[in-house]
Amino acid sequence: DAMVIQNPRYQVTQFGKPVTLSCSQTLNHNVMYWYQQKSSQAPKLLFHYYDKDFNNEADTPDNFQSRRPNTSFCFLDIRSPGLGDAAMYLCATSRDLRGGNQPQHFGDGTRLSIL
Amino acid sequence: DAKTTQPPSMDCAEGRAANLPCNHSTISGNEYVYWYRQIHSQGPQYIIHGLKNNETNEMASLIITEDRKSSTLILPHATLRDTAVYYCIVRVRRSGTASKLTFGTGTRLQVTL
Repeated sequence: DAMVIQNPRYQVTQFGKPVTLSCSQTLNHNVMYWYQQKSSQAPKLLFHYYDKDFNNEADTPDNFQSRRPNTSFCFLDIRSPGLGDAAMYLCATSRDLRGGNQPQHFGDGTRLSIL
Repeated sequence: DAKTTQPPSMDCAEGRAANLPCNHSTISGNEYVYWYRQIHSQGPQYIIHGLKNNETNEMASLIITEDRKSSTLILPHATLRDTAVYYCIVRVRRSGTASKLTFGTGTRLQVTL
């Protein structure tokens, strides 16, 4: 009964070869987030979608893009992965309700390796 | 969002209460205190949040000092499955905006037999 699903759990790609990570949710939440977590570090927000509106963090590299074709799905595209992009990528969702945004629900992440 | 300070690591014996402190001395009046935890190889998991009153749910209790400059997360009867990194995050809770989280370094709690 996983509510935020990330596939695959492990992804290997070659240096410079585009890669797409996927996230789906069954919670019907209007906000979706992508975080990057490097080894032994805390998660760091890359960007989020508030409904259909894309919001990039100021220090997110241009190499990272995202798509949200509908409420349930969100994709993270890395156009030309470098060795420094090896990390766990976490997807999260939340619902914005009157009175304040609700806590985030996270998937279990996709661990990306670069050869 | 206000910055938080947590001890890097703590140990707790199984069955005992785990008390995890967090300092947030620059917290603003409209900022909430949130706690998440991350078990190895999993995504972060929401635990509890509060503004100024103490809060309790099925997972934990949150004690916030009267001046709101610090708080303590209490796991009343820690088990081995509570071994994780615990993050204390302070942020405004405002409708119409995303609930972006800025994670600090957290406290690595090790529960032992």
